[in-house]
Amino acid sequence: QKEVEQNSGPLSVPEGAIASLNCTYSDRGSQSFFWYRQYSGKSPELIMFIYSNGDKEDGRFTAQLNKASQYVSLLIRDSQPSDSATYLCAVNQAGTALIFGKGTTLSVSS
Amino acid sequence: DGGITQSPKYLFRKEGQNVTLSCEQNLNHDAMYWYRQDPGQGLRLIYYSQIVNDFQKGDIAEGYSVSREKKESFPLTVTSAQKNPTAFYLCASSIASGTVSYEQYFGPGTRLTVT
Repeated sequence: QKEVEQNSGPLSVPEGAIASLNCTYSDRGSQSFFWYRQYSGKSPELIMFIYSNGDKEDGRFTAQLNKASQYVSLLIRDSQPSDSATYLCAVNQAGTALIFGKGTTLSVSS
Repeated sequence: DGGITQSPKYLFRKEGQNVTLSCEQNLNHDAMYWYRQDPGQGLRLIYYSQIVNDFQKGDIAEGYSVSREKKESFPLTVTSAQKNPTAFYLCASSIASGTVSYEQYFGPGTRLTVT
């Protein structure tokens, strides 16, 4: 059974701090890695994707991938109260649908 | 204005009734997906389709059926055989995922309540 694991949280950080969200996956064949943000009662919104080992930066967001350790993370710099949401990690292999973790709830206090 | 639409936003049904959830996309994506989300849970795959007139079962297909007669449309029917149908249903689409996996984009979801 392919699995994606995330700490459910809540992860609480003060405004302006760096939030670090982590995800591990079981299938070494996984090729693509995604981070979605989901506000309460809303659908998931794609914020980052990464395919290769290393870091990928987009504005305040940085995705980090380490395939050897089967680990992917999301860093949010200068966290804002509007970043408060549940963050879903998802992985897949070519030709298959996504496998989602249960998500980590982030709370940014002002 | 490209995107994915789902209707209705809220749906209430009596136990024993079949219900069909609509999903339409104008992103020209080949692949479409249906997921279910329960409170405090991640998304679980029900069905997916990578091309018109073809679809595959996901992890929790029992009690559900789909069709893919048009590229733009992928309706989901929740049948009376589904034991716990109350959930948040999410439709997604992506560029066809042959040998490369592409990001998926989600519609706004349909919240189904069965009593």
